[in-house]
Amino acid sequence: DGGITQSPKYLFRKEGQNVTLSCEQNLNHDAMYWYRQDPGQGLRLIYYSQIVNDFQKGDIAEGYSVSREKKESFPLTVTSAQKNPTAFYLCASTLGRDRINNEQFFGPGTRLTVL
Amino acid sequence: AQSVTQLGSHVSVSEGALVLLRCNYSSSVPPYLFWYVQYPNQGLQLLLKYTSAATLVKGINGFEAEFKKSETSFHLTKPSAHMSDAAEYFCAVSAPEYGNKLVFGAGTILRVKS
Repeated sequence: DGGITQSPKYLFRKEGQNVTLSCEQNLNHDAMYWYRQDPGQGLRLIYYSQIVNDFQKGDIAEGYSVSREKKESFPLTVTSAQKNPTAFYLCASTLGRDRINNEQFFGPGTRLTVL
Repeated sequence: AQSVTQLGSHVSVSEGALVLLRCNYSSSVPPYLFWYVQYPNQGLQLLLKYTSAATLVKGINGFEAEFKKSETSFHLTKPSAHMSDAAEYFCAVSAPEYGNKLVFGAGTILRVKS
């Protein structure tokens, strides 16, 4: 079955640690996205990538980094510079570049908690 | 101004009653509009989308939404609520002025009472 997988489902981080969240899709989609979800705030865009080896900052990129070395993979690293990383992180993908009428498909999410 | 406003962070209805979740958008050109549903600790699933064809859009699970340009609204409705409809619902807009990216509302949590 085609879809988006995210791992791990739950992640715990100590203060000062970097952690990497995995996102893989087998939909052959061109564009991939990372969102952060906090209660009552909807989804906020962290980074997105429309093509391999290229990515752009979203609205809240500070303290995060990404890479897009393969079309199917778009890992997100939460660095120690992110002061309030506890949140639910969602990865999404969409077919085509700059296709604003295309729906985004979402992964099941990773819940990150800082201890 | 907010690009997407969902009126009511929580909505409670009785089973069998009408569901109405409100969404207003701001855009200088006709946008593309989406409704997504999220069950606890899961990702988002598309309910329906408006892409400038028919103004009344039918989606999955009996939901529909009507695009009203004069009111800049895209409210989500369902004639009869089921217990399984309890979830969080997000309205989202995509338009060139937002860099062709999806902009989400804050979400509305729907509670269905038996």
